Amino acid sequence: DVKVTQSSRYLVKRTGEKVFLECVQDMDHENMFWYRQDPGLGLRLIYFSYDVKMKEKGDIPEGYSVSREKKERFSLILESASTNQTSMYLCASSLAFGGAFFGQGTRLTVV
Amino acid sequence: AQSVAQPEDQVNVAEGNPLTVKCTYSVSGNPYLFWYVQYPNRGLQFLLKYITGDNLVKGSYGFEAEFNKSQTSFHLKKPSALVSDSALYFCAVSPNQAGTALIFGKGTTLSVSS
Repeated sequence: DVKVTQSSRYLVKRTGEKVFLECVQDMDHENMFWYRQDPGLGLRLIYFSYDVKMKEKGDIPEGYSVSREKKERFSLILESASTNQTSMYLCASSLAFGGAFFGQGTRLTVV
Repeated sequence: AQSVAQPEDQVNVAEGNPLTVKCTYSVSGNPYLFWYVQYPNRGLQFLLKYITGDNLVKGSYGFEAEFNKSQTSFHLKKPSALVSDSALYFCAVSPNQAGTALIFGKGTTLSVSS
């Protein structure tokens, strides 16, 4: 079975903390994505990567950065967490053209 | 701008009745089309996809979707709804260009009553 694994299901962090969300896929996919999901807004793309060390900004990159040092791992970094970054974060991977496989999501609460 | 629209925030149907969840898109070229389902506090699960070929695509859990190129639509359907189908459904489009990401609709909540 294909698998995308996010390191945490639930996280609670304090305002101003640096937060790392980790995602690992075992399918040798080129593409990896970070989305944010909020009620009524659907999925919004934060960043994606189509190759190791490559990254592209999505629709809402402000306040976030990413790292892809290895093909299977894509990390989302909140440099200084704020309460408006409280959300569900979804990682996904895909081949160059094709549907995406999603992780279980990380529900982040910033207090 | 490329976009996906799901015009209904919520669809309510009775168990055993047919259901339709609507999706239209505005993407250039010949995109790939997808439906995903999400259960509470879970990630998205793939339901079905259209790449090319027959306009009626069959997927998981008895769902199917009809591609209509002239109307740029990709509606999700099921002949007989189950209470367990109640979930959040997302339509997504891949512009079929290297280095691009899936574009998602805002989601439609399907509620099936017994």
